[in-house]
Amino acid sequence: SQQGEEDPQALSIQEGENATMNCSYKTSINNLQWYRQNSGRGLVHLILIRSNEREKHSGRLRVTLDTSKKSSSLLITASRAADTASYFCATGERRKLIFGQGTELSVKP
Amino acid sequence: GAVVSQHPSRVICKSGTSVKIECRSLDFQATTMFWYRQFPKQSLMLMATSNEGSKATYEQGVEKDKFLINHASLTLSTLTVTSAHPEDSSFYICSADLAGGPSNQETQYFGPGTRLLVL
Repeated sequence: SQQGEEDPQALSIQEGENATMNCSYKTSINNLQWYRQNSGRGLVHLILIRSNEREKHSGRLRVTLDTSKKSSSLLITASRAADTASYFCATGERRKLIFGQGTELSVKP
Repeated sequence: GAVVSQHPSRVICKSGTSVKIECRSLDFQATTMFWYRQFPKQSLMLMATSNEGSKATYEQGVEKDKFLINHASLTLSTLTVTSAHPEDSSFYICSADLAGGPSNQETQYFGPGTRLLVL
C-alpha cells in the first residue's frame, strides 16, 4: 500500500530556478527519506530526515519535515538540467520502505 | 561502496515462459533484500522481502507461486516470474540493506532494475 501522496505529480522549470516537491504520509514515522530515479533506472538515496529533525541540508538539497502535518518537502536550489528525474519520498516500517507516488521533475536548459 | 547489481537489465520473453532475475550485492553482505515492481509513471510497490536462508515474506496480493524468490547467500537473491504473461510486463527493482545493521536499518541500496516485456 502507498504511504502517501506527493505533489505536484509533474513539475517543469527552467535551469537555475528552485524546485519544491511535497510529500504527505499517513502513519507515524521514525524517519522519512527522499530518493531520485532517472528514467528507467534504479533509485539513488538522496537524504534521510529523522522524526525529531525539522530541516536538513545536503548540497543543493533542503528537506523539511513537519510531523504535526505529516508532511515533508524537498527543495532543490539552482536546478540543473541533470536534475531531471523522478523524486520519491519513502517512509520505513520495520525495514520495509513505502514510497509516495513521486514527482516527475523536468529542468529545461 | 554499497553497490547492487541486477541481471539481466532487460528481457523479452514469450507468454508462458519463466524468467529469472538476479540481484547481487557486490561489495557488502545483505541479510535482507527487497523486490519491488514499478509500472510506467507509477511508484514502486514492494512485492516481497527476501531473507537469506529463509522463506520470503510476500506483500498482500502478491502470488508467491507466481513470483518465486530465493535468497541462497548473503550476496544473491533471485526472483523468478513463472509462466509469465503480458500483464507481468513491468520494471522489477531489487534493493538491499546491510547485514549486521541495526534492527531499524534505514537506507536501502537499489539495483538498476530489470525491464521485463512479455509478448
